Amino acid sequence: EAQVTQNPRYLITVTGKKLTVTCSQNMNHEYMSWYRQDPGLGLRQIYYSMNVEVTDKGDVPEGYKVSRKEKRNFPLILESPSPNQTSLYFCASRPGRRNQPQHFGDGTRLSIL
Amino acid sequence: KNQVEQSPQSLIILEGKNCTLQCNYTVSPFSNLRWYKQDTGRGPVSLTIMTFSENTKSNGRYTATLDADTKQSSLHITASQLSDSASYICVVSANNDMRFGAGTRLTVKP
Repeated sequence: EAQVTQNPRYLITVTGKKLTVTCSQNMNHEYMSWYRQDPGLGLRQIYYSMNVEVTDKGDVPEGYKVSRKEKRNFPLILESPSPNQTSLYFCASRPGRRNQPQHFGDGTRLSIL
Repeated sequence: KNQVEQSPQSLIILEGKNCTLQCNYTVSPFSNLRWYKQDTGRGPVSLTIMTFSENTKSNGRYTATLDADTKQSSLHITASQLSDSASYICVVSANNDMRFGAGTRLTVKP
């Protein structure tokens, strides 16, 4: 089954404790992206990657890092999480052609205390 | 100011009734507009995509319209079902940039 898999689905942690949210897709998609979703604001892009070893900042990259060493994986790293990063996070992927729909994972709910 | 505005923020309708959701945008230059459905606890799933030259597109009971002159789109849901309860998100693309609306939360009651 074609899918985007995120782990963990839920995480409660404390300020300053480094964490990584993994994202994996099995559709051989070139493009991958991370978003955060906050009430009333809609999805906002954190980082995106056009292909392996190519990453770019989105609208809200501060406090986040990503890497794209393999085509299928695109982890999101919070080196020193803070409470304002408490949010619902989505990973998405699509083929390289722009008009193709993005396939989203089921989300990761992060709570930073 | 968000470049994609959706209305209403939330809507409650009875099963079997029709409804229309609105999306106004200022994103430019326009590339395409897509409607997504997001069930609670799930990621968004694409319903339709419309490019500049298209003004209507259907996907089952969902019909999207686009007026590129007034920069407005609507999503019409016919004969609603309980499973239509979800958030509906309008996404407008301009070249390499995508702008997401905040969504309309639809609740269909029996």
